[in-house]
Amino acid sequence: GAVVSQHPSWVICKSGTSVKIECRSLDFQATTMFWYRQFPKQSLMLMATSNEGSKATYEQGVEKDKFLINHASLTLSTLTVTSAHPEDSSFYICSARDPQGPGVAFFGQGTRLTVV
Amino acid sequence: QKEVEQNSGPLSVPEGAIASLNCTYSDRVSQSFFWYRQYSGKSPELIMSIYSNGDKEDGRFTAQLNKASQYVSLLIRDSQPSDSATYLCAVGSNDYKLSFGAGTTVTVRA
Repeated sequence: GAVVSQHPSWVICKSGTSVKIECRSLDFQATTMFWYRQFPKQSLMLMATSNEGSKATYEQGVEKDKFLINHASLTLSTLTVTSAHPEDSSFYICSARDPQGPGVAFFGQGTRLTVV
Repeated sequence: QKEVEQNSGPLSVPEGAIASLNCTYSDRVSQSFFWYRQYSGKSPELIMSIYSNGDKEDGRFTAQLNKASQYVSLLIRDSQPSDSATYLCAVGSNDYKLSFGAGTTVTVRA
């Protein structure tokens, strides 16, 4: 299947700082990428849809000013958690859909964010 | 997001047995259906995709879809200890967003 690479795989940051997470499609161009968040023992919750060359679409209840998404190229989307707080500690996962394929979403490795 | 319900488990099966996982969804216009496997601390890994009514087999895995009943299932035959994981049912819509169920944790006893 298609390869989606996410970096970093884990990060620890101090409360009040910002953290950037990158999501890259390595062998295909992704006009649309998705960002999910997963708390322990819970399922994935869609945060936002990242669209190349346009503004991201956020799900209800997700603060767009706190979770900044940039999709500047067809292979890269970034999620920046601004002014992080301990309650933002979670597993963040991106996915991308290969537009040439059967519509399947492939996931990055995920980023474990811990805010101390 | 649309509702996707899974039997919560945990589901414990002996090695070599069949594990049966169920999923129902609320949005009748859903187009695509997926089963993902997620090991602890890892991101989901696609196991099966199914788009039309009926059965789809891939190795030891069989997915079944019944759109009239809004039901999708996954059978794991000859279960192995390495199959122990959380299985996520995901349902896709026209805009390619996926809605996930809460997952069913499967434990295969050696």
